[in-house]
Amino acid sequence: AQSVTQLGSHVSVSEGALVLLRCNYSSSVPPYLFWYVQYPNQGLQLLLKYTTGATLVKGINGFEAEFKKSETSFHLTKPSAHMSDAAEYCCAVSTANQAGTALIFGKGTTLSVSS
Amino acid sequence: DAGVTQSPTHLIKTRGQQVTLRCSPKSGHDTVSWYQQALGQGPQFIFQYYEEEERQRGNFPDRFSGHQFPNYSSELNVNALLLGDSALYLCASSSLGGQGAVDEQYFGPGTRLTVT
Repeated sequence: AQSVTQLGSHVSVSEGALVLLRCNYSSSVPPYLFWYVQYPNQGLQLLLKYTTGATLVKGINGFEAEFKKSETSFHLTKPSAHMSDAAEYCCAVSTANQAGTALIFGKGTTLSVSS
Repeated sequence: DAGVTQSPTHLIKTRGQQVTLRCSPKSGHDTVSWYQQALGQGPQFIFQYYEEEERQRGNFPDRFSGHQFPNYSSELNVNALLLGDSALYLCASSSLGGQGAVDEQYFGPGTRLTVT
């Protein structure tokens, strides 16, 4: 069975500081990994995804994540936080097979950015 | 392109009632997935529909059922509502194509269900 653990339900940073949101996964088969962002009263928007190939993945809004198989991690980073980055961030894992492509999410991390 | 649309936006029901939520997928998509997001939690997978059949199901009771229509739109039905069913229900669409390939799932804005 697959699972996702997001360390820290709430992360606070200052504007301009490094953003680091942690995600660890469990999967018995090679995983596909995703980060989604959710703004209040909106649906989820894909930030970035890892399927195969390069382990450092760049996404929208300056975010990137690195797939580390040995650590079963897929942490999300951004060098310099903006006020507009304040939102809920969800990490998810999936596998591609004939049975379907359900996303298994972590509990989410709320990012607060202060001026 | 309208993206994924869901209706209604908000809904208030009483315990024991039944509810139907609707989803129209993004143009060109043939697969619809439903997720339940309780307050303060990440989304939980309910089920996925492809070619008008349920192809994958999460750990939800039979009170949760669905349907996919020939135009790929979908409905989520919940019977015998419980207080614990109060949540944001998200619909996501993708173009699975029956090949098991991973494709981006596009999410709608959700339906906020409150059970009193």
